[in-house]
Amino acid sequence: SQQGEEDPQALSIQEGENATMNCSYKTSINNLQWYRQNSGRGLVHLILIRSNEREKHSGRLRVTLDTSKKSSSLLITASRAADTASYFCATVLIQGAQKLVFGQGTRLTINP
Amino acid sequence: DGGITQSPKYLFRKEGQNVTLSCEQNLNHDAMYWYRQDPGQGLRLIYYSQIVNDFQKGDIAEGYSVSREKKESFPLTVTSAQKNPTAFYLCASSGGAGTGELFFGEGSRLTVL
Repeated sequence: SQQGEEDPQALSIQEGENATMNCSYKTSINNLQWYRQNSGRGLVHLILIRSNEREKHSGRLRVTLDTSKKSSSLLITASRAADTASYFCATVLIQGAQKLVFGQGTRLTINP
Repeated sequence: DGGITQSPKYLFRKEGQNVTLSCEQNLNHDAMYWYRQDPGQGLRLIYYSQIVNDFQKGDIAEGYSVSREKKESFPLTVTSAQKNPTAFYLCASSGGAGTGELFFGEGSRLTVL
């Protein structure tokens, strides 16, 4: 099964509202990353948070990491129609090969 | 501009045929990856390579093969042994040891007729 599980699977909000997506994982990680994918396109890296960090910001993005709960959240503030995309969390495990393991994603729709 | 180029973008194949998807990067990255994505699903790792002339199986390597003869290139062959090859294939590269940011190509959509 996938290491990361995003919640919700789909989210629809009005433009200007904040969007929050969650990611839970099962085993200890080196870091956690969030990616964005527009329909039919490749993924684009948004932000990386290391296991010893609790919060990170990048523009309208805010990511938190709670290693005790094995969970992370991605907050997009003041959403825009252009934020419509799928968002994936990916984890790098401490044990095993150093590779990213992706969750199944949250499909975000911003309604104008 | 630096980046990853995948080709072709769309590919149709008859059952029983092998097809090769191209992935080229000019980012001077050591690590390269192939992922498969099915509709509404996340990415699953097929193969990855941390260095030239070396590669490892990912989670769903059966029915696929790769080579890494040059740092810039990591082609993926979908063989006739892959029972359900219709999918979106994504190539990525990383400059670190696999723990950092991945740079993705635009993907290749393979359809088996």
